[in-house]
Amino acid sequence: DVKVTQSSRYLVKRTGEKVFLECVQDMDHENMFWYRQDPGLGLRLIYFSYDVKMKEKGDIPEGYSVSREKKERFSLILESASTNQTSMYLCASSSIGLGTGELFFGEGSRLTVL
Amino acid sequence: AQSVTQPDIHITVSEGASLELRCNYSYGATPYLFWYVQSPGQGLQLLLKYFSGDTLVQGIKGFEAEFKRSQSSFNLRKPSVHWSDAAEYFCAVATLNTGNQFYFGTGTSLTVIP
Repeated sequence: DVKVTQSSRYLVKRTGEKVFLECVQDMDHENMFWYRQDPGLGLRLIYFSYDVKMKEKGDIPEGYSVSREKKERFSLILESASTNQTSMYLCASSSIGLGTGELFFGEGSRLTVL
Repeated sequence: AQSVTQPDIHITVSEGASLELRCNYSYGATPYLFWYVQSPGQGLQLLLKYFSGDTLVQGIKGFEAEFKRSQSSFNLRKPSVHWSDAAEYFCAVATLNTGNQFYFGTGTSLTVIP
């Protein structure tokens, strides 16, 4: 069974802390994505990557960075967490060809910043 | 710019009644279209997708959707709703450029009453 695994389902951090959200996929997918989900706003793309060591900004990259050192792993980093980054974070992956592609999602990481 | 509109924020239906969730998109070329479902506290699961061919597509859990180019719509339907269908539903459009970016609507929350 294909899988996208997010390391932490629930996190509580303090303002100013550095936060790492880890995502691993076992489908050998080229593309990986980080989304943020907030009520009434749907899913907003933070960053995506279509290859190892490659990254592209999405719609809301401010305050975030990413790392993709291995094909299967895509990390989201909050350098200095703020309360407005309290949200649900969703990782997803897809194969390179849209003809066969769909997004496969992890179960999400709910982050609370106090 | 690409956009996806789900005009209904919340819908309530009785169990056994029919369901239609609306989705409109703005995109210049033939889009790749998707419907995802999210159960509480979970990631998103693909219900169905349209790439080309027959404009009426069948998905999992008894759902179907119809692509209407003239109306730029991709509405999701189910003839008889079950209590387990209560969830958040997201329509998405995908592009063909590198990274295969997906654009999501803001979602429609479905409540099913006995």
